[in-house]
Amino acid sequence: DQQVKQNSPSLSVQEGRISILNCDYTNSMFDYFLWYKKYPAEGPTFLISISSIKDKNEDGRFTVFLNKSAKHLSLHIVPSQPGDSAVYFCAASAVGAQKLVFGQGTRLTINP
Amino acid sequence: GAGVSQSPSNKVTEKGKDVELRCDPISGHTALYWYRQSLGQGLEFLIYFQGNSAPDKSGLPSDRFSAERTGGSVSTLTIQRTQQEDSAVYLCASSQTGGAGNTIYFGEGSWLTVV
Repeated sequence: DQQVKQNSPSLSVQEGRISILNCDYTNSMFDYFLWYKKYPAEGPTFLISISSIKDKNEDGRFTVFLNKSAKHLSLHIVPSQPGDSAVYFCAASAVGAQKLVFGQGTRLTINP
Repeated sequence: GAGVSQSPSNKVTEKGKDVELRCDPISGHTALYWYRQSLGQGLEFLIYFQGNSAPDKSGLPSDRFSAERTGGSVSTLTIQRTQQEDSAVYLCASSQTGGAGNTIYFGEGSWLTVV
């Protein structure tokens, strides 16, 4: 039962353009969403989060959008830079729950 | 260091042997998590500790897996009678408090290979 799904295993974007990573979820009890970034041989690092009371959160080049009715969130990176090449995981937690549920990840490659 | 520390960073073991993986969380963090990532898969929740509360063991895949957290700090994940399907990177994470809305911070992981 995959409650958090990232349907694109990989994405390739040209440097300077916008990268859009998508994530869908099935559990309507999820109320907090996060994006993590992972480089090879390193642990995931926190990138940005959003609470279900918002539909957008922005931090520099990174913006997360939440569409609760569609149970969909996306991460926008603009402009994309070579250092953004990594695997991106979306994660969600439910009201009263302690654990984060992660998607399968999307490998983003930024081409010069 | 200031981050989550895990050891060993790499471990190769023979099938059937027991292994222990250690995690030192960020100082002052009361919540500690173990996740694992198998090749080509997402992060799979294993177990969660919060203060003195009973741990949430709902993600442990079999009774060969166990974990403890001594003194509310360091945690050890033990895998008994390892199998090849146990090969994965085991990630420990901690957060300041448990519960929804808390960002968790990961260590670099312990890469386990069962041969």
